[in-house]
Amino acid sequence: QQQVKQSPQSLIVQKGGIPIINCAYENTAFDYFPWYQQFPGKGPALLIAIRPDVSEKKEGRFTISFNKSAKQFSLHIMDSQPGDSATYFCAAEGGGSQGNLIFGKGTKLSVKP
Amino acid sequence: KAGVTQTPRYLIKTRGQQVTLSCSPISGHRSVSWYQQTPGQGLQFLFEYFSETQRNKGNFPGRFSGRQFSNSRSEMNVSTLELGDSALYLCASSLAGTLRGGYTFGSGTRLTVV
Repeated sequence: QQQVKQSPQSLIVQKGGIPIINCAYENTAFDYFPWYQQFPGKGPALLIAIRPDVSEKKEGRFTISFNKSAKQFSLHIMDSQPGDSATYFCAAEGGGSQGNLIFGKGTKLSVKP
Repeated sequence: KAGVTQTPRYLIKTRGQQVTLSCSPISGHRSVSWYQQTPGQGLQFLFEYFSETQRNKGNFPGRFSGRQFSNSRSEMNVSTLELGDSALYLCASSLAGTLRGGYTFGSGTRLTVV
């Protein structure tokens, strides 16, 4: 019940395309869902986060869509650029579990010029 | 402002030895969490400290321990190292102990056990 399942494992898109990364969770106590971006040799960096009372959130070219009934959420990257090539992780936290982010396994995104 | 600083960046140790990793959080951040990142298991939570108290612990053996000092700096220790402990160890800090403001991660310490 603590898992967060992320797909796909890897994704290749052309510049300008809209990659979509999906995550699903089981624990209904989760109440905070961030997305992180990680470049080689660096730690994950927070991109955008959403709470379950909101169905969509946009920050720049990044959009989270959240479906509470289906226990799923996704990340869309608009007008993707080669500089967006990185590994993306979804995560979930809540249920009184302080400081414990449950991460998906990650999606390696490659944006071709 | 300065980010989360982890030292050392790289470490090579021999099986059976012990190791101590250090993390300096962002100024004003009182919560520090530690994660282990491996290609096979991904990012896994080790433990979280707030105001020098461990509030949460992941499913790791007792060989993994940590502590937090009064200035919020944190250390984690791994004793009796095993080959499987080779990983990137990441520290993350957050403001006031709540995750709602998000974690800021350091660049990690790459530990190789030979």
